[in-house]
Amino acid sequence: AQKITQTQPGMFVQEKEAVTLDCTYDTSDQSYGLFWYKQPSSGEMIFLIYQGSYDEQNATEGRYSLNFQKARKSANLVISASQLGDSAMYFCAMRELYGSGNTGKLIFGQGTTLQVKP
Amino acid sequence: DTGVSQDPRHKITKRGQNVTFRCDPISEHNRLYWYRQTLGQGPEFLTYFQNEAQLEKSRLLSDRFSAERPKGSFSTLEIQRTEQGDSAMYLCASSLMDRGYNSPLHFGNGTRLTVT
Repeated sequence: AQKITQTQPGMFVQEKEAVTLDCTYDTSDQSYGLFWYKQPSSGEMIFLIYQGSYDEQNATEGRYSLNFQKARKSANLVISASQLGDSAMYFCAMRELYGSGNTGKLIFGQGTTLQVKP
Repeated sequence: DTGVSQDPRHKITKRGQNVTFRCDPISEHNRLYWYRQTLGQGPEFLTYFQNEAQLEKSRLLSDRFSAERPKGSFSTLEIQRTEQGDSAMYLCASSLMDRGYNSPLHFGNGTRLTVT
Protein backbone atom coordinates (compact mmCIF):
# COMPACT_ATOMS: atom_id res chain seq x y z
CA ALA A 1 0.00 0.00 0.00
CA GLN A 2 1.24 3.45 -0.88
CA LYS A 3 2.21 5.22 2.31
CA ILE A 4 2.79 8.65 0.82
CA THR A 5 0.64 9.93 -2.02
CA GLN A 6 1.35 13.04 -4.03
CA THR A 7 -1.42 13.34 -6.58
CA GLN A 8 -0.07 16.28 -8.57
CA PRO A 9 2.62 15.13 -11.02
CA GLY A 10 3.13 18.70 -12.21
CA MET A 11 2.14 22.19 -11.12
CA PHE A 12 2.58 25.67 -12.55
CA VAL A 13 2.58 28.89 -10.55
CA GLN A 14 3.11 32.50 -11.50
CA GLU A 15 6.10 34.19 -9.94
CA LYS A 16 5.25 35.93 -6.63
CA GLU A 17 2.08 33.90 -6.13
CA ALA A 18 1.52 31.19 -3.52
CA VAL A 19 1.21 27.51 -4.37
CA THR A 20 0.09 24.45 -2.43
CA LEU A 21 1.57 21.01 -3.05
CA ASP A 22 -0.56 18.14 -1.79
CA CYS A 23 0.56 15.19 0.28
CA THR A 24 -1.50 12.51 1.99
CA TYR A 25 -0.09 9.70 4.06
CA ASP A 26 -1.09 6.42 5.59
CA THR A 27 0.23 5.06 8.86
CA SER A 28 -0.95 3.20 11.93
CA ASP A 29 1.82 4.69 14.07
CA GLN A 30 0.77 7.38 16.52
CA SER A 31 4.26 8.87 16.44
CA TYR A 32 5.60 9.94 13.09
CA GLY A 33 7.21 12.84 11.33
CA LEU A 34 6.56 14.41 7.96
CA PHE A 35 9.26 16.02 5.85
CA TRP A 36 9.38 17.96 2.62
CA TYR A 37 12.40 17.98 0.34
CA LYS A 38 13.22 19.98 -2.79
CA GLN A 39 15.18 18.42 -5.64
CA PRO A 40 16.38 20.88 -8.32
CA SER A 41 17.49 19.63 -11.70
CA SER A 42 21.03 19.36 -10.35
CA GLY A 43 19.85 16.40 -8.27
CA GLU A 44 20.61 17.23 -4.65
CA MET A 45 17.86 16.66 -2.10
CA ILE A 46 17.35 19.76 0.03
CA PHE A 47 15.46 19.50 3.31
CA LEU A 48 12.78 22.19 3.62
CA ILE A 49 10.48 21.64 6.57
CA TYR A 50 9.41 19.14 9.22
CA GLN A 51 6.13 18.46 11.06
CA GLY A 52 5.78 16.07 13.98
CA SER A 53 2.59 14.14 14.56
CA TYR A 54 2.18 15.66 18.03
CA ASP A 55 2.97 19.21 16.96
CA GLU A 56 -0.09 21.35 17.56
CA GLN A 57 1.02 24.22 15.37
CA ASN A 58 1.70 24.07 11.68
CA ALA A 59 5.41 24.24 10.89
CA THR A 60 6.82 27.28 9.13
CA GLU A 61 10.27 27.96 7.69
CA GLY A 62 10.60 31.24 5.88
CA ARG A 63 8.42 31.10 2.76
CA TYR A 64 7.52 27.46 3.44
CA SER A 65 4.67 26.39 5.65
CA LEU A 66 3.03 23.07 6.23
CA ASN A 67 -0.75 22.75 6.34
CA PHE A 68 -1.04 19.74 8.65
CA GLN A 69 -4.48 18.15 9.00
CA LYS A 70 -3.96 15.09 11.14
CA ALA A 71 -7.48 13.72 10.97
CA ARG A 72 -7.38 13.84 7.19
CA LYS A 73 -3.78 12.54 7.13
CA SER A 74 -2.62 15.34 4.94
CA ALA A 75 0.51 17.49 5.10
CA ASN A 76 0.41 19.98 2.28
CA LEU A 77 3.34 22.27 1.56
CA VAL A 78 2.57 25.92 0.96
CA ILE A 79 5.17 28.07 -0.78
CA SER A 80 4.44 31.77 -0.57
CA ALA A 81 5.73 34.43 -2.94
CA SER A 82 7.09 31.92 -5.47
CA GLN A 83 10.46 32.62 -7.03
CA LEU A 84 11.98 31.32 -10.25
CA GLY A 85 14.47 29.36 -8.16
CA ASP A 86 11.62 27.38 -6.64
CA SER A 87 11.24 25.45 -9.89
CA ALA A 88 12.13 21.90 -8.88
CA MET A 89 10.71 18.55 -7.89
CA TYR A 90 9.22 18.42 -4.39
CA PHE A 91 8.95 15.29 -2.30
CA CYS A 92 6.87 14.56 0.76
CA ALA A 93 8.31 11.92 3.09
CA MET A 94 7.33 10.21 6.32
CA ARG A 95 9.25 8.65 9.18
CA GLU A 96 7.32 6.24 11.37
CA LEU A 97 8.75 5.86 14.84
CA TYR A 98 7.79 2.21 15.24
CA GLY A 99 6.97 1.21 11.68
CA SER A 100 10.49 2.06 10.60
CA GLY A 101 11.89 -0.37 13.16
CA ASN A 102 13.73 2.55 14.72
CA THR A 103 15.91 2.88 11.63
CA GLY A 104 14.75 6.41 11.05
CA LYS A 105 14.35 5.75 7.34
CA LEU A 106 12.12 8.01 5.30
CA ILE A 107 9.47 6.80 2.90
CA PHE A 108 9.01 9.13 -0.04
CA GLY A 109 6.12 10.00 -2.28
CA GLN A 110 6.42 10.15 -6.06
CA GLY A 111 6.98 13.88 -6.10
CA THR A 112 5.46 16.95 -7.72
CA THR A 113 7.27 18.97 -10.35
CA LEU A 114 6.77 22.67 -9.81
CA GLN A 115 7.43 25.21 -12.52
CA VAL A 116 7.43 28.90 -11.67
CA LYS A 117 6.52 31.18 -14.58
CA PRO A 118 8.00 34.68 -14.84
CA ASP B 1 29.89 20.39 8.20
CA THR B 2 31.16 19.51 4.73
CA GLY B 3 28.00 17.65 3.78
CA VAL B 4 27.54 14.15 2.40
CA SER B 5 29.78 13.42 -0.54
CA GLN B 6 29.38 10.68 -3.11
CA ASP B 7 31.79 9.40 -5.69
CA PRO B 8 31.61 9.12 -8.64
CA ARG B 9 28.91 11.54 -9.77
CA HIS B 10 28.32 9.57 -12.94
CA LYS B 11 29.11 6.02 -13.95
CA ILE B 12 28.52 4.40 -17.32
CA THR B 13 29.08 0.68 -17.47
CA LYS B 14 28.32 -2.24 -19.71
CA ARG B 15 25.82 -4.86 -18.69
CA GLY B 16 27.47 -7.61 -16.69
CA GLN B 17 30.20 -5.44 -15.20
CA ASN B 18 30.60 -4.75 -11.49
CA VAL B 19 30.44 -1.22 -10.11
CA THR B 20 31.18 0.28 -6.70
CA PHE B 21 30.03 3.59 -5.31
CA ARG B 22 31.36 5.41 -2.31
CA CYS B 23 29.62 7.62 0.24
CA ASP B 24 31.26 9.80 2.87
CA PRO B 25 28.64 10.91 5.40
CA ILE B 26 28.75 13.96 7.63
CA SER B 27 31.47 13.06 10.11
CA GLU B 28 29.50 12.89 13.36
CA HIS B 29 26.47 11.15 11.85
CA ASN B 30 26.04 7.61 13.05
CA ARG B 31 23.24 6.62 10.67
CA LEU B 32 23.73 6.04 6.97
CA TYR B 33 21.20 5.18 4.28
CA TRP B 34 21.28 4.20 0.64
CA TYR B 35 18.37 5.00 -1.65
CA ARG B 36 17.71 4.42 -5.34
CA GLN B 37 15.82 6.91 -7.47
CA THR B 38 14.61 6.29 -11.00
CA LEU B 39 13.60 9.10 -13.32
CA GLY B 40 10.48 10.92 -12.23
CA GLN B 41 10.07 8.86 -9.05
CA GLY B 42 10.76 9.37 -5.39
CA PRO B 43 13.78 7.81 -3.68
CA GLU B 44 13.32 4.18 -2.61
CA PHE B 45 15.01 2.86 0.50
CA LEU B 46 17.70 0.24 -0.06
CA THR B 47 19.61 -0.24 3.16
CA TYR B 48 20.50 1.29 6.51
CA PHE B 49 23.59 1.29 8.72
CA GLN B 50 23.91 2.30 12.32
CA ASN B 51 27.59 2.84 12.81
CA GLU B 52 29.19 -0.18 11.11
CA ALA B 53 26.19 -2.51 11.50
CA GLN B 54 23.86 -3.03 8.55
CA LEU B 55 20.53 -3.27 10.31
CA GLU B 56 18.02 -3.29 7.49
CA LYS B 57 17.97 -4.25 3.84
CA SER B 58 15.05 -3.67 1.51
CA ARG B 59 13.76 -6.49 -0.65
CA LEU B 60 14.81 -4.22 -3.53
CA LEU B 61 18.38 -5.09 -2.62
CA SER B 62 18.92 -8.27 -4.60
CA ASP B 63 21.80 -10.69 -4.06
CA ARG B 64 23.79 -8.74 -6.63
CA PHE B 65 23.89 -5.74 -4.32
CA SER B 66 26.12 -5.48 -1.29
CA ALA B 67 26.85 -2.57 1.00
CA GLU B 68 29.45 -2.09 3.68
CA ARG B 69 30.39 0.54 6.19
CA PRO B 70 33.71 -0.49 7.69
CA LYS B 71 34.57 1.24 10.97
CA GLY B 72 31.30 3.16 10.81
CA SER B 73 32.70 5.86 8.57
CA PHE B 74 32.39 5.83 4.77
CA SER B 75 30.18 3.33 3.00
CA THR B 76 30.37 1.49 -0.30
CA LEU B 77 27.60 0.07 -2.43
CA GLU B 78 28.60 -2.59 -4.94
CA ILE B 79 26.47 -3.94 -7.73
CA GLN B 80 27.66 -7.14 -9.35
CA ARG B 81 26.73 -8.27 -12.86
CA THR B 82 24.90 -5.04 -13.60
CA GLU B 83 21.65 -5.13 -15.55
CA GLN B 84 19.96 -2.37 -17.53
CA GLY B 85 17.29 -2.18 -14.84
CA ASP B 86 19.96 -1.05 -12.39
CA SER B 87 20.22 2.29 -14.21
CA ALA B 88 19.20 4.89 -11.65
CA MET B 89 20.46 7.57 -9.31
CA TYR B 90 21.92 6.09 -6.13
CA LEU B 91 21.59 8.45 -3.21
CA CYS B 92 23.37 8.27 0.11
CA ALA B 93 22.09 10.05 3.20
CA SER B 94 23.18 10.38 6.79
CA SER B 95 21.67 11.57 10.03
CA LEU B 96 22.26 11.91 13.74
CA MET B 97 19.30 10.49 15.57
CA ASP B 98 20.31 10.96 19.16
CA ARG B 99 17.97 13.89 19.57
CA GLY B 100 14.86 12.15 18.35
CA TYR B 101 13.10 11.38 15.16
CA ASN B 102 12.71 14.90 13.88
CA SER B 103 16.21 15.09 12.46
CA PRO B 104 16.20 15.14 8.66
CA LEU B 105 18.28 12.96 6.41
CA HIS B 106 21.11 14.86 4.75
CA PHE B 107 21.62 13.67 1.20
CA GLY B 108 24.61 13.62 -1.08
CA ASN B 109 24.39 14.64 -4.72
CA GLY B 110 24.05 11.04 -5.80
CA THR B 111 25.75 8.75 -8.28
CA ARG B 112 23.97 8.38 -11.59
CA LEU B 113 24.48 4.90 -13.01
CA THR B 114 23.83 4.11 -16.65
CA VAL B 115 24.05 0.48 -17.74
CA THR B 116 24.39 0.03 -21.50
